[in-house]
Amino acid sequence: GEDVEQSLFLSVREGDSSVINCTYTDSSSTYLYWYKQEPGAGLQLLTYIFSNMDMKQDQRLTVLLNKKDKHLSLRIADTQTGDSAIYFCAETTDKLIFGTGTRLQVFP
Amino acid sequence: DVKVTQSSRYLVKRTGEKVFLECVQDMDHENMFWYRQDPGLGLRLIYFSYDVKMKEKGDIPEGYSVSREKKERFSLILESASTNQTSMYLCASSLRQGEAFFGQGTRLTVV
Repeated sequence: GEDVEQSLFLSVREGDSSVINCTYTDSSSTYLYWYKQEPGAGLQLLTYIFSNMDMKQDQRLTVLLNKKDKHLSLRIADTQTGDSAIYFCAETTDKLIFGTGTRLQVFP
Repeated sequence: DVKVTQSSRYLVKRTGEKVFLECVQDMDHENMFWYRQDPGLGLRLIYFSYDVKMKEKGDIPEGYSVSREKKERFSLILESASTNQTSMYLCASSLRQGEAFFGQGTRLTVV
């Protein structure tokens, strides 16, 4: 069955890089996603990676995919206080399965 | 601008009541999903639907049912609400294997 795991909390200083990790179990996932949830809001797509890619960069965001280990990571460069949120990774085959979410706290 | 609209932001219901949570999307998406979000547990899939009148159980369907009579509308039904169904409920829609768009969520409290 599918299972997506993340650590629950991450705390970083403003200006540092943040790395949020995720492991998944379904190797047939076509896309892997990162969603961001700000307080009191629904989820918004942050970025995604196609399963045949190793890396994707989008401005301050870098996604790394290790298919062999079924490991996905999201790196946020120059983390800002506005990046404080819960970050969810998700895998999709015939349905969209989310991880537990990582709460990122950015302090000055 | 794409939109997924959930009928209520906050809802308080009594134990044993039948509860309807409505979700409407305006993007002509085939897929629609209902999740519940609880602290430390992330988003757990309750039910999803690929098309009108089709439904599939997710990971935690017990105590819930769904209805999809029209493509744009996906309803979640709590047949007899219980206190352990107090949660944030999130609806989403997507094209097949595409980006999912979420509603703002409904915070349901069962007393």
